[in-house]
Amino acid sequence: AQRVTQPEKLLSVFKGAPVELKCNYSYSGSPELFWYVQYSRQRLQLLLRHISRESIKGFTADLNKGETSFHLKKPFAQEEDSAMYYCALANVSFQKLVFGTGTRLLVSP
Amino acid sequence: DTGVSQDPRHKITKRGQNVTFRCDPISEHNRLYWYRQTLGQGPEFLTYFQNEAQLEKSRLLSDRFSAERPKGSFSTLEIQRTEQGDSAMYLCASSTDRSGTGELFFGEGSRLTVL
Repeated sequence: AQRVTQPEKLLSVFKGAPVELKCNYSYSGSPELFWYVQYSRQRLQLLLRHISRESIKGFTADLNKGETSFHLKKPFAQEEDSAMYYCALANVSFQKLVFGTGTRLLVSP
Repeated sequence: DTGVSQDPRHKITKRGQNVTFRCDPISEHNRLYWYRQTLGQGPEFLTYFQNEAQLEKSRLLSDRFSAERPKGSFSTLEIQRTEQGDSAMYLCASSTDRSGTGELFFGEGSRLTVL
């Protein structure tokens, strides 16, 4: 079964502080992992995917198969990063995306 | 193209009534998904279409729920005999399997309140 766990419901940091949003997964096959973000009053949208190994808006995420984790990191948080962040897992054919419960990131000035 | 659109955006109904939601995906997308999101939870997968074929249904989708995508374009999600537990945001998303990226494009959702 596919499962995604985000242990923190809320992460509150000050502007300029480092951020790490945790994500652990359970999947018997080879996972495809994503981070989706939902800003206030906007629709859910893709932030980044592990296969691209890209940095988006200063965020990066590394897939650690040994620890079954895909934590999202940013060295210096900005106020505009405040949003809901969802970790998600798909099978290799991307036929179904399973989401975690989400973490609300609040960046204070 | 303005992206995935959903209608209505909000629906308030009485318990026992039927409701129908519509989703118009991005025009060239052959995959369409329905998700349900309740307060404090992430989106939960309900069902998935590839073109007009419904390929997977979640156990969450009881026999009161039915989804169609008759011509492989827009889709409808109908809930019969609504219950208060059906109150949620119903999200539609679309994608294309030709990009190989797995990115889903979401609509703004249809919020259902069952009184």
